[in-house]
Amino acid sequence: DAKTTQPNSMESNEEEPVHLPCNHSTISGTDYIHWYRQLPSQGPEYVIHGLTSNVNNRMASLAIAEDRKSSTLILHRATLRDAAVYYCVYIQGAQKLVFGQGTRLTINP
Amino acid sequence: NAGVMQNPRHLVRRRGQEARLRCSPMKGHSHVYWYRQLPEEGLKFMVYLQKENIIDESGMPKERFSAEFPKEGPSILRIQQVVRGDSAAYFCASSPPPLGQPQHFGDGTRLSIL
Repeated sequence: DAKTTQPNSMESNEEEPVHLPCNHSTISGTDYIHWYRQLPSQGPEYVIHGLTSNVNNRMASLAIAEDRKSSTLILHRATLRDAAVYYCVYIQGAQKLVFGQGTRLTINP
Repeated sequence: NAGVMQNPRHLVRRRGQEARLRCSPMKGHSHVYWYRQLPEEGLKFMVYLQKENIIDESGMPKERFSAEFPKEGPSILRIQQVVRGDSAAYFCASSPPPLGQPQHFGDGTRLSIL
């Protein structure tokens, strides 16, 4: 089975950009990469997803490597509310989200 | 537009009792998914349902666990004869057709077994 690998934790300062990396060297060519984040005592919240090209939305940007073996979630200007566990997720069989351990992001004021 | 609604938020059961967890998907969403999260771990897929059909239950334990998504009413995850190891947060998600759309999660039911 394909899997994703992320650092256990990262730390950044408020109002600075944050780059969250993910390795997914074994996903198939048609698997989308999704990112979700989870705040304490809440369910995961969809952030962004992509297949081959870079993607932008109001929450973040997603940069996908040309060989698709890795991607980076970019928060352009972190706020305290962005402190959460960030999951790089792939979809198996078009419907099953496969979560890894995630990266716990801490934002310093 | 209300999000995915799960109830109860917290559920306490004694060993051997039954637990029923409910999930109302977002309006217009015909796909429902259940995930389980053990303490300090990521979410694990359990089951994927469409109205009146179980599509993929590859993550469901073989015994004591069942799920349904009837034509009318919420999706139900049922755990019979609960044991301590069933203590976890259970999350429901829904998505609209077609497949592959982002899933929207509820805030979960935290099940505690005494």
